[in-house]
Amino acid sequence: GAGVSQSPSNKVTEKGKDVELRCDPISGHTALYWYRQSLGQGLEFLIYFQGNSAPDKSGLPSDRFSAERTGGSVSTLTIQRTQQEDSAVYLCASSLVAREQYFGPGTRLTVT
Amino acid sequence: QKEVEQDPGPLSVPEGAIVSLNCTYSNSAFQYFMWYRQYSRKGPELLMYTYSSGNKEDGRFTAQVDKSSKYISLFIRDSQPSDSATYLCAMRKGSGGYQKVTFGTGTKLQVIP
Repeated sequence: GAGVSQSPSNKVTEKGKDVELRCDPISGHTALYWYRQSLGQGLEFLIYFQGNSAPDKSGLPSDRFSAERTGGSVSTLTIQRTQQEDSAVYLCASSLVAREQYFGPGTRLTVT
Repeated sequence: QKEVEQDPGPLSVPEGAIVSLNCTYSNSAFQYFMWYRQYSRKGPELLMYTYSSGNKEDGRFTAQVDKSSKYISLFIRDSQPSDSATYLCAMRKGSGGYQKVTFGTGTKLQVIP
């Protein structure tokens, strides 16, 4: 079946602009995660959605970052007033509850 | 100190060699251990998933967990150029409900033909 998909695959934006990153999880997966991957930093947890429960936002680095998950499926990560330090690969993963995570290909964000 | 430590490499080996990749961790509450493989410009792909101490084998891959030493390993036998990738260890505390996964920074492996 189809895996996790993310769009766009690459995004170049100017400092100060807002960006939206999209994630389509595996059908039937109720859990959805966003991570940020910077060179040499590993995967940094950003936010977790599970069904209708309140999301775990504890990893969001600032209030410029927000995420939504509509209808328990598609999720959008929004970064407002982008800064150069936001440049990274943003990865989305989905899973069944308490099971292994399956990752999308990521969105490579470059802030100039 | 990070909860999970992993040597970033790069690790360069000849084709056919046995590769050993390792992670150490500090939190004894971790019970579930995973290895992911990540090719360049791709998302991580789950390779192995183990619970508690012991070994698990899948083809050319063997995952080993030593909870007493807080040390996990991934062995790759008869390494192939297609194994060239970054390998990330990951771990979490429990199975019930939501448990945050902690990742290592990854070890870059290059298998030379």
